Amino acid sequence: EIVMTQSPATLSVSPGERATLSCRAGQSVSINLAWYQYKPGQAPRLLIYGASTRATGIPARFSGSGSGTEFTLTISGLQSEDFAIYYCQQYSNWPPYTFGQGTKLEIK
Amino acid sequence: QVQLVESGGGVVQPGGSLRLSCAASGFTFSSYGMHWVRQAPGKGLEWVAFIRYDGSNKYYADSVKGRFTISRDNSKNTLYLQMNSLRAEDTAVYYCAKGKGAAGLYYFDYWGQGTLVTVSS
Repeated sequence: EIVMTQSPATLSVSPGERATLSCRAGQSVSINLAWYQYKPGQAPRLLIYGASTRATGIPARFSGSGSGTEFTLTISGLQSEDFAIYYCQQYSNWPPYTFGQGTKLEIK
Repeated sequence: QVQLVESGGGVVQPGGSLRLSCAASGFTFSSYGMHWVRQAPGKGLEWVAFIRYDGSNKYYADSVKGRFTISRDNSKNTLYLQMNSLRAEDTAVYYCAKGKGAAGLYYFDYWGQGTLVTVSS
């Protein structure tokens, strides 16, 4: 099983600023990495797949980078609706598909 | 647009059973693999099970193997999760998710809003 580790657990950022979220895989997953946004009571939302490809309808302020074991999700010009929990997930080596423990992005 | 609507959650005693359903619309259900993912209270997301588009292969997390069964009815555009021998640690919101990708590399491009399962005496 590939262990995914996200940091930080909580990130406090002011609206309009940039947020940088990290995800590390316990072994190489190539670019088979996705990012999801989660708000309690709502369906999780796919943001990024293939480490850097934005999903349909995702604003350009969301960007992903990385390969192998180190990945980053960057959100530029934070808007109020972006404050949520973000999960990374590897789909390179399954079963099982594995998620990071999440980063909570909160308003500073 | 793609819609996934889960149902069947509720309160069940330890050792009991429950069957979840996920009604799909807005896409060709019979062409896509489908997943169940859960989130226990205060915890992160945990993948539970996957079924290929035609039901030919099924895969499970070790934590549910032998107790849960994933299935689908492509004529009804519906995904199921039969949960037996339920334990307190199975308490979670259960989401169905549509698989997307190719060559065995699948991420989850659409999710339902989830159904809550509580295992408690």
